[in-house]
Amino acid sequence: EADIYQTPRYLVIGTGKKITLECSQTMGHDKMYWYQQDPGMELHLIHYSYGVNSTEKGDLSSESTVSRIRTEHFPLTLESARPSHTSQYLCASSPLTGTSGRNEQFFGPGTRLTVL
Amino acid sequence: GESVGLHLPTLSVQEGDNSIINCAYSNSASDYFIWYKQESGKGPQFIIDIRSNMDKRQGQRVTVLLNKTVKHLSLQIAATQPGDSAVYFCAENYQDTGRRALTFGSGTRLQVQP
Repeated sequence: EADIYQTPRYLVIGTGKKITLECSQTMGHDKMYWYQQDPGMELHLIHYSYGVNSTEKGDLSSESTVSRIRTEHFPLTLESARPSHTSQYLCASSPLTGTSGRNEQFFGPGTRLTVL
Repeated sequence: GESVGLHLPTLSVQEGDNSIINCAYSNSASDYFIWYKQESGKGPQFIIDIRSNMDKRQGQRVTVLLNKTVKHLSLQIAATQPGDSAVYFCAENYQDTGRRALTFGSGTRLQVQP
């Protein structure tokens, strides 16, 4: 079982509030990811990191920001939440694969965010 | 309750039957594929993977078939059980300008009838 944790699991918050979604993994993985998933829809990559002090934007544009100060921690921040940010946010991690090609990602349980 | 699944194709099977879930992938350069299972309220869980140099790989009750000619992937579940009810996603992995990108398909909801 993957050791990757997300808090909070559920969050209901008002428009304009600043929020931080936490993600931590205890597997020592170098690579970490944030996905956004609307109910019943596919996952969209919004941020990823290949190591400490490395962060990149993903395929889906997002107003959120991330930081990677420690290997095990990859928080996502929304400076001013809006109803359009209502979604599920999934954090994942994977080990560096070198040239092996494998890229199995281990997922956390997700944070379901509702912005009123 | 949660309103989910309205956009997903749904496969409904009887308990004990075999299930086949299909996925069309987009990138002919993809060299690694994964099937994930996502239960309601949880993150996706790894089921089985396959490299592009293989056509078939078997796990416990699951088999993945890869047809690179038509860019098609399938997941076969033998003797489907109620606990198999979930949304299943295929994901393709390829090298993309310095990073390995994992792209997820749109998912299929499997409903197992007792």
